[in-house]
Amino acid sequence: KQEVTQIPAALSVPEGENLVLNCSFTDSAIYNLQWFRQDPGKGLTSLLLIQSSQREQTSGRLNASLDKSSGRSTLYIAASQPGDSATYLCAATGNTPLVFGKGTRLSVIA
Amino acid sequence: NAGVTQTPKFRILKIGQSMTLQCTQDMNHNYMYWYRQDPGMGLKLIYYSVGAGITDKGEVPNGYNVSRSTTEDFPLRLELAAPSQTSVYFCASSQRSSGQGADTQYFGPGTRLTVL
Repeated sequence: KQEVTQIPAALSVPEGENLVLNCSFTDSAIYNLQWFRQDPGKGLTSLLLIQSSQREQTSGRLNASLDKSSGRSTLYIAASQPGDSATYLCAATGNTPLVFGKGTRLSVIA
Repeated sequence: NAGVTQTPKFRILKIGQSMTLQCTQDMNHNYMYWYRQDPGMGLKLIYYSVGAGITDKGEVPNGYNVSRSTTEDFPLRLELAAPSQTSVYFCASSQRSSGQGADTQYFGPGTRLTVL
């Protein structure tokens, strides 16, 4: 059974810092891994999707990497801004639909 | 193009009551999903559907039922509501091509349900 873990559970950084959010998964037989953003009281917005054959994906200040052999993915946020404050969730798709981690709650302090 | 819409946004039920959460998508996606999210937790899959007429259980299906008569709609039925079903419910859809393919999931805004 796939299990997805995100560390840390919460993170607070000053504005302008570069930061890394971590995601690990137990079953490396995945089709893809997605990173989502969730604002308080809102639904989820897909940020990046990495196919199992890819190593990374980039969108603006965001870069996500995938290492299937070690069961890890990272989300790198460059030059963080207060508007980046949200909960970030990763989710892995394999033989079963998305399995989510519990998320990392990010606060960027101005 | 509205994406994924859910109704209602909020609902309070008494124990034992029943209700249907509505979900509609206008992207012609084959795959649709229902998740629940409890405070401080990730999302857990309740049911999913790979196309009209086909549904399958997820991780936490007990106490729920679904149907998929059209590509657009995927309602979730709660029978005999219990306090343990107090949660935020999200519907999502995706288009999966053959093989691995693109599988970005698009989420609705959620339904906040309280059972008292």
